[in-house]
Amino acid sequence: DIQMTQSPSSLSASVGDRVTITCRASQSISRYLSWYQQKPGKAPKFLIYDASTLQSGVPSRFSGSGSGTDFTLTISSLQPEDSATYYCQQSYNTPHTFGQGTKLEIK
Amino acid sequence: EVQLVQSGGGWVQPGGSLRLSCVASGFTFTTYNMNWVRQAPGKGLEWVSDITSSSYTTYYADSVKGRFTISRDNAKKSLFLQMNSLRDADTAVYYCARTERGYFDYWGQGTLVTVSS
Repeated sequence: DIQMTQSPSSLSASVGDRVTITCRASQSISRYLSWYQQKPGKAPKFLIYDASTLQSGVPSRFSGSGSGTDFTLTISSLQPEDSATYYCQQSYNTPHTFGQGTKLEIK
Repeated sequence: EVQLVQSGGGWVQPGGSLRLSCVASGFTFTTYNMNWVRQAPGKGLEWVSDITSSSYTTYYADSVKGRFTISRDNAKKSLFLQMNSLRDADTAVYYCARTERGYFDYWGQGTLVTVSS
């Protein structure tokens, strides 16, 4: 199985900050990587697929990059509503593994 | 508007069974693979099972293989998860999700399954 490791596990940042979350795969997954945002008590929301393609309706302050084993999710100017837990997920093969999550808090 | 509406969760004793349902609307159900993903209390997301659009192929996480069965009724635009021999470790919120090239682009609202004596 492909293991997905996110870092950091949690972070705290201020409104307007640039925030970066990283995701590393245990083997190459090309660009078969997506990102999700989950707020407490809610279903995850699909943000980015194919490592860098923004899902329709997602604010442009979110961006993704990477290929192979190393990927990043960047929020260019943090907003209060971005407080959430973020997960990466590989779709290179089954099982469709997720990272353990990164909890983002607003200072 | 794409909607996935779930039902069927609840409390069950260890060793018991439950059947989850997910009814789809707002898209052509027959052209999409569907999945179940779960989240134990306070934990991360765990993929559970996948079914192709025609039900030809199914996949399972090792943790549920042999105990859970995924199925679908395309005429009723419905997805199911039959869960047998339930364990404490199966306690989680279960989500159905539409799958596009392995990505989960739309999710149901989630349903809580509690396995406890």
